[in-house]
Amino acid sequence: QQPVQSPQAVILREGEDAVINCSSSKALYSVHWYRQKHGEAPVFLMILLKGGEQMRHEKISASFNEKKQQSSLYLTASQLSYSGTYFCGTDSLNAGGTSYGKLTFGQGTILTVHP
Amino acid sequence: ETGVTQSPTHLIKTRGQQVTLRCSSQSGHNTVSWYQQALGQGPQFIFQYYREEENGRGNFPPRFSGLQFPNYSSELNVNALELDDSALYLCASSLGPPGAQETQYFGPGTRLLVL
Repeated sequence: QQPVQSPQAVILREGEDAVINCSSSKALYSVHWYRQKHGEAPVFLMILLKGGEQMRHEKISASFNEKKQQSSLYLTASQLSYSGTYFCGTDSLNAGGTSYGKLTFGQGTILTVHP
Repeated sequence: ETGVTQSPTHLIKTRGQQVTLRCSSQSGHNTVSWYQQALGQGPQFIFQYYREEENGRGNFPPRFSGLQFPNYSSELNVNALELDDSALYLCASSLGPPGAQETQYFGPGTRLLVL
């Protein structure tokens, strides 16, 4: 079952902040975040691991709550270049406590940043 | 640029035909995953190959098959095409084995239209 992302879409002005959430019904080993611009391949942003720390890439950071099986992506002081569709991909925990090694992606959150 | 290339970029086929899509991974990337991305949806995992062996499969019928070659290239074959197979097909490669929690580098995709 795919993770659920919220909101489905968000519109911002340059400089504003946004939060994108990703929630899974399965126990997770990791969460991977990607951004995809129209007509292009998804581009890697960051990976959050079970037991790991909050990650940051420039003005984008993310957290991972293992107990709630949720991750959030925080976009601070948004720039025009942040526009695109954001996907979380989850890698679930198997019975042995390791990962299955394959990603299940959410349906995406469309982020639009206006000047 | 992720160093992952796919061919062809676009393809039009008719129902019942067969198609082969190709992916060239970065040199040294032993793991390749294939995804189907319908319009407005997140990528859906088809299958994964590690060192030329299939290492996991998503919820796709057997008419979806693949191969991985020693030169870090791979193929996705789809037999008996159906209208619902129309989608963007993405391959993604990573350096380590499945479950290593490494970045997956996506290719630009092949857009398949089945008429």
